[in-house]
Amino acid sequence: GNSVTQMEGPVTLSEEAFLTINCTYTATGYPSLFWYVQYPGEGLQLLLKATKADDKGSNKGFEATYRKETTSFHLEKGSVQVSDSAVYFCALNHGSGNTGKLIFGQGTTLQVKP
Amino acid sequence: NAGVTQTPKFQVLKTGQSMTLQCAQDMNHEYMSWYRQDPGMGLRLIHYSVGAGITDQGEVPNGYNVSRSTTEDFPLRLLSAAPSQTSVYFCASSYGFKDGYTFGSGTRLTVV
Repeated sequence: GNSVTQMEGPVTLSEEAFLTINCTYTATGYPSLFWYVQYPGEGLQLLLKATKADDKGSNKGFEATYRKETTSFHLEKGSVQVSDSAVYFCALNHGSGNTGKLIFGQGTTLQVKP
Repeated sequence: NAGVTQTPKFQVLKTGQSMTLQCAQDMNHEYMSWYRQDPGMGLRLIHYSVGAGITDQGEVPNGYNVSRSTTEDFPLRLLSAAPSQTSVYFCASSYGFKDGYTFGSGTRLTVV
């Protein structure tokens, strides 16, 4: 079945360090891929998305490229800030049936230290 | 715009009690979903809807009912609360299946 696998956390970085959070997926059809961010005590916010192979999603300095050949959608940021500390979720929707059902990875906690 | 509004924010129930978690959106989104979030398990889909009058089960539907009589509202009913239903519940809506979902701020439910 369809699934999303994220690297385990927590990921601890110093401010201005480079960030990579790995995400790989298993899916039939042609899913859309998403990254969501959850700050403490809040709901999830859409960070970026990509809807077809080789698309690059970007927002707030974060970016991720839809790699169909490696079934990956890794999240990157060149210089993290303390305010980026949060839990990051990779997700895909079912590519067939247009159901809009999202499948999430387990989430990766990012801690950025000053 | 209010976005996705969930009520209540916190609730404590006794085992066996029933209740309804409310969810409303004002963005005219067709797709709506309910998720539960538990430590170490990410978010799991309970029920979802692709439009008024159309609902279907997700990954963990047992013990929950939904209905979608209007585009705006998608309430989640707990029939007979159990401690295993202690969780944080999120409602979300989307314009289309390729669009990202907008999430509510969540309901933290404790069943004792």
